[in-house]
Amino acid sequence: DAKTTQPTSMDCAEGRAANLPCNHSTISGNEYVYWYRQIHSQGPQYIIHGLKNNETNEMASLIITEDRKSSTLILPHATLRDTAVYYCIVRVVSNTGKLIFGQGTTLQVKP
Amino acid sequence: SAVISQKPSRDICQRGTSLTIQCQVDSQVTMMFWYRQQPGQSLTLIATANQGSEATYESGFVIDKFPISRPNLTFSTLTVSNMSPEDSSIYLCSAFGGRGTDTQYFGPGTRLTVL
Repeated sequence: DAKTTQPTSMDCAEGRAANLPCNHSTISGNEYVYWYRQIHSQGPQYIIHGLKNNETNEMASLIITEDRKSSTLILPHATLRDTAVYYCIVRVVSNTGKLIFGQGTTLQVKP
Repeated sequence: SAVISQKPSRDICQRGTSLTIQCQVDSQVTMMFWYRQQPGQSLTLIATANQGSEATYESGFVIDKFPISRPNLTFSTLTVSNMSPEDSSIYLCSAFGGRGTDTQYFGPGTRLTVL
């Protein structure tokens, strides 16, 4: 699986949009971009995933560049409960696909 | 989404003993996985639990230390054998492929402390 690069930490003001970048310059054509987050002491929570088109759900938006070498997760109105470690993972979608976690970005939402 | 439960949620064990962690999914799933998260670290994949056959272990993990069972499509166990304080971690079960989804979901984890 391709590797990803994320900033170690970021801050965001409550109520503002949080934009979390991820580089995946060696991504293959059959690999999706997945985002998970882990709130302290809990199991990772699925957020969103995409292949090449931008995606939006009730939690977040995922913007993938045209060359697919990077992406941005957008939390439109961050709250204190969004403070967590956010993981960007690329993964082949198949019956044997597995998630390999990097170090992620620690997002601190501040009042 | 698949709902995953784990037992126990936490335990404190003596070195040299073994602990078996149970993972139950509320629907049949294609793949099940076990992860370890050491204090302050990211998640590390231990193995893929294969239904009806031996688990597939990642580099650095062996069956003698982490035996895994998966008797059916909704249940798996991970045993941490001959424990030492270095085994103190959160152990997480994960499942993929339930109800036609291509998303992987995680259980709440088992927090293990070895004295």
